[in-house]
Amino acid sequence: QVQLQESGPGLVKPSQTLSLTCTVSGGSISSGGYYWSWIRQHPGKGLEWIGYIYYSGSTYYNPSLKSRVTISVDTSKNQFSLKLSSVTAADTAVYYCASHTRGQLDHWGQGTLVTVSS
Amino acid sequence: DIQMTQSPSSLSASVGDRVTITCQASQDISNYLNWYQQKPGKAPKLLIYDASNLETGVPSRFSGSGSGTDFTFTISSLQPEDIATYYCQQYDNLPFTFGQGTRLEIK
Repeated sequence: QVQLQESGPGLVKPSQTLSLTCTVSGGSISSGGYYWSWIRQHPGKGLEWIGYIYYSGSTYYNPSLKSRVTISVDTSKNQFSLKLSSVTAADTAVYYCASHTRGQLDHWGQGTLVTVSS
Repeated sequence: DIQMTQSPSSLSASVGDRVTITCQASQDISNYLNWYQQKPGKAPKLLIYDASNLETGVPSRFSGSGSGTDFTFTISSLQPEDIATYYCQQYDNLPFTFGQGTRLEIK
């Protein structure tokens, strides 16, 4: 059973870069067949899909965030990462990592709250 | 982007009731529609995929139907543990998009 765990700072200053890592266990990112996504949820709000990466390194980013987002993969550590630059208070959210084959997000991390504040 | 519109935004029902949530896509998405359950403080959980297929281990009181632009999610007999927020999500086109959610409460 694939398990995912987010990690990273819970507090980021405005204008800085938010950096999170998702560690995958119970399966190998490099085995292929799965895509690895980031999703966020603003406090008390709905879900916003940020983007995905495939083990080969190919990515797709939500156009609404594309100019500020980078998702990368480290197959040697079985991890993938999210960087979101030039953050503002509007980027305060719970950030989830998840996996999917086509579009079914069938495994999720527990989520990590990132607050943007000085 | 494809817009997903759920209704109602909140719903109060009694244990044993049949509960129905609808989701409408802004364009034809065939059956590329999933339903998730999210309990407070937890990650969403996939319940239904491809509009009508029950994810492994999900109780059979949950079901989904529809294709094209109009979809329905049903709980045949509401249980106390079903209190949660439910989301639809399309994956016909990137970016994936979600409905705004339906908060389900016990009356």
